[in-house]
Amino acid sequence: GAVVSQHPSRVICKSGTSVKIECRSLDFQATTMFWYRQFPKQSLMLMATSNEGSKATYEQGVEKDKFLINHASLTLSTLTVTSAHPEDSSFYICSARDIAGSETGYTFGSGTRLTVV
Amino acid sequence: QKEVEQDPGPLSVPEGAIVSLNCTYSNSAFQYFMWYRQYSRKGPELLMYTYSSGNKEDGRFTAQVDKSSKYISLFIRDSQPSDSATYLCATQGGKLIFGQGTELSVKP
Repeated sequence: GAVVSQHPSRVICKSGTSVKIECRSLDFQATTMFWYRQFPKQSLMLMATSNEGSKATYEQGVEKDKFLINHASLTLSTLTVTSAHPEDSSFYICSARDIAGSETGYTFGSGTRLTVV
Repeated sequence: QKEVEQDPGPLSVPEGAIVSLNCTYSNSAFQYFMWYRQYSRKGPELLMYTYSSGNKEDGRFTAQVDKSSKYISLFIRDSQPSDSATYLCATQGGKLIFGQGTELSVKP
């Protein structure tokens, strides 16, 4: 089945630094990737949608200059949290949709636990 | 009103019990309905999906959609401790729209 690899699984960084999270589709091509944020015991909140080769579309209230998304190839998207602050600490999850674009063809990464100290 | 509403629980049942998880949604245009299972500190995995109204069965799991009442259900028969996880309903409206998730604990 489709596999999405997300790295790192856990990262601790100092306040003010930047952190990059990678999301790779291992055995399929993904024209569209999604980035979510999840707080404890809450649902996934969509942050942005990225399409290969074009600018990401951010959801309302998400700072695009703070959460930089790059989707340079059909198998890789990155999320960079710039100038991280403790309130950015959260669980970040990516999802990739296969190139066929089926209605249910979303595969999720295993998530990244970000802690900003 | 949220597009998809789900009782967050938590829900605790004894092993072997039948579990019923439910969601409601607001947009009658939604056609695809999914159930995801998420273990602690992991990404969600697709459990099953249905298209439009009706039932779908997969082993111990049954997904049910009633479009007339905009109601989505997931039934788990003979629940096992390994079923302990958070279950998220979702629908597709150009992007995935998730419910809040129900935390299920199955006690041995």
